[in-house]
Amino acid sequence: AQKITQTQPGMFVQEKEAVTLDCTYDTSDQSYGLFWYKQPSSGEMIFLIYQGSYDEQNATEGRYSLNFQKARKSANLVISASQLGDSAMYFCAMREGGPGGYQKVTFGIGTKLQVIP
Amino acid sequence: GAVVSQHPSWVICKSGTSVKIECRSLDFQATTMFWYRQFPKQSLMLMATSNEGSKATYEQGVEKDKFLINHASLTLSTLTVTSAHPEDSSFYICSAILSGIKRKTDTQYFGPGTRLTVL
Repeated sequence: AQKITQTQPGMFVQEKEAVTLDCTYDTSDQSYGLFWYKQPSSGEMIFLIYQGSYDEQNATEGRYSLNFQKARKSANLVISASQLGDSAMYFCAMREGGPGGYQKVTFGIGTKLQVIP
Repeated sequence: GAVVSQHPSWVICKSGTSVKIECRSLDFQATTMFWYRQFPKQSLMLMATSNEGSKATYEQGVEKDKFLINHASLTLSTLTVTSAHPEDSSFYICSAILSGIKRKTDTQYFGPGTRLTVL
């Protein structure tokens, strides 16, 4: 079974609108971490946001917020007020186990977001 | 700003030659670094975990004799693709965990990647 599932291969959003990128995960660990990364055409992976499994509040970083629904095992990324520079591939990732120790992270297949002027 | 650098950013080599890729953590020490490869339009696949001062831990299916990893210092890990062949052409990207103030999250920060083309 896939540990990280991103069901949207591609998404379009109008500039200045909000967009939600879906991510569901599968783990039996009680302690884990969820990440979102952005990969523009240049190839660099840019860290956007992190959510710990024990964090009670949804993570927010500027225009990015993570809609964490633990019971549903979903960690959707919400980008508010989309900008043209947001056009990129977006990867959801999970680290199983708590911080420290072996830090293997599993990535989803990604969602390509295109922002339309 | 970038916290992890990679060199070179791209390389073209002939089949049978070896290529070394460097990954450096900038302004912080990284006891653990990771090497990934990414084929076009695919996700990142972890190749190995590089531990400073010890042998790397390779993922299943990754040939350790072909992909040599050396983590000689707390700021540098190198990946050497030995006897490269066209099927080794890929995007290789490293990451390091930024500890200290980010210890709680153990977030991996990535280098800009190296595009390897083997002719």
